[in-house]
Amino acid sequence: QAVVTQEPSLTVSPGGTVTLTCGSSTGAVTSGHYPYWFQQKPGQAPRTLIYDTSNKHSWTPARFSGSLLGGKAALTLSGAQPEDEAEYYCLLSYSGTYAVFGGGTKLTVL
Amino acid sequence: EVQVVESGGGSVQPGGSLRLSCVGSGLSFSSYWMTWVRQAPGKGLEWVANIKQDGSEKYYVDSVKGRFTISRDNAKNSLYLQMNSLRPEDTAVYYCARIWDYWGQGTLVTVSS
Repeated sequence: QAVVTQEPSLTVSPGGTVTLTCGSSTGAVTSGHYPYWFQQKPGQAPRTLIYDTSNKHSWTPARFSGSLLGGKAALTLSGAQPEDEAEYYCLLSYSGTYAVFGGGTKLTVL
Repeated sequence: EVQVVESGGGSVQPGGSLRLSCVGSGLSFSSYWMTWVRQAPGKGLEWVANIKQDGSEKYYVDSVKGRFTISRDNAKNSLYLQMNSLRPEDTAVYYCARIWDYWGQGTLVTVSS
C-alpha cells in the first residue's frame, strides 16, 4: 500500500500563514485521491476540516483552505490563531479500495 | 445534538477477540460509507476499514485482513468491528466515523498478556 508523507513539524507566528503538504509515494496527488485534512488536539478525537481537496464543513474556520499544489495536497492556514496549535493529518483515498493517513504535522503557533 | 459513541473496548490477551460497536444519534448512518480508524498510543492515525451504505463493499488495511470484520445495521444506526486473533500491535484507540464528517470519541483496546 502507498505511503503518504507530511512535514513532521512546522511553526507559524500568530497571524501568519503556513502551508502543510501531503504527498503520495505513488506519484502526484490528484482530486481523484479525494484529499482530506483533519485536526487533532491532545486528548481529543480528530475533527474533519477539509474534504475532497478543498471543501469545508460548517465548523471549519474560514482561515483554513485546501488545494492541490505542485503534485501534493495542501492545507493553508491564513491568520494563525493560538487555538490552531495541533496535529494535522491528511488522508488519501486510493481507487476507493483503501485509504492511507499521512504521519501527521505538528503545528506550533509561536 | 449529534453524537457518535463507540463501545466494546477493553483489555484482552493475544489471540483473543473483541467486538466494537458504534451508535449514532442526531445523524443518520444509512446513506453514508462508514469507517473505523485507530491510533496506537503516541502514534498517528491509521485507517482500518470502510463499509458501503448497504454493506455490499468492505475494504481493510492489509494488517487486519482475515482477522477483522466490519459490519453495520442501518435499522439500529450502528456500526461494528469484530476483531479476532488480536495481537499486541492492535493496541489502540479505535474511532468510528461517518465518512468523513462526524467522529466518535474512541474506545481503547489493549492487547497484552
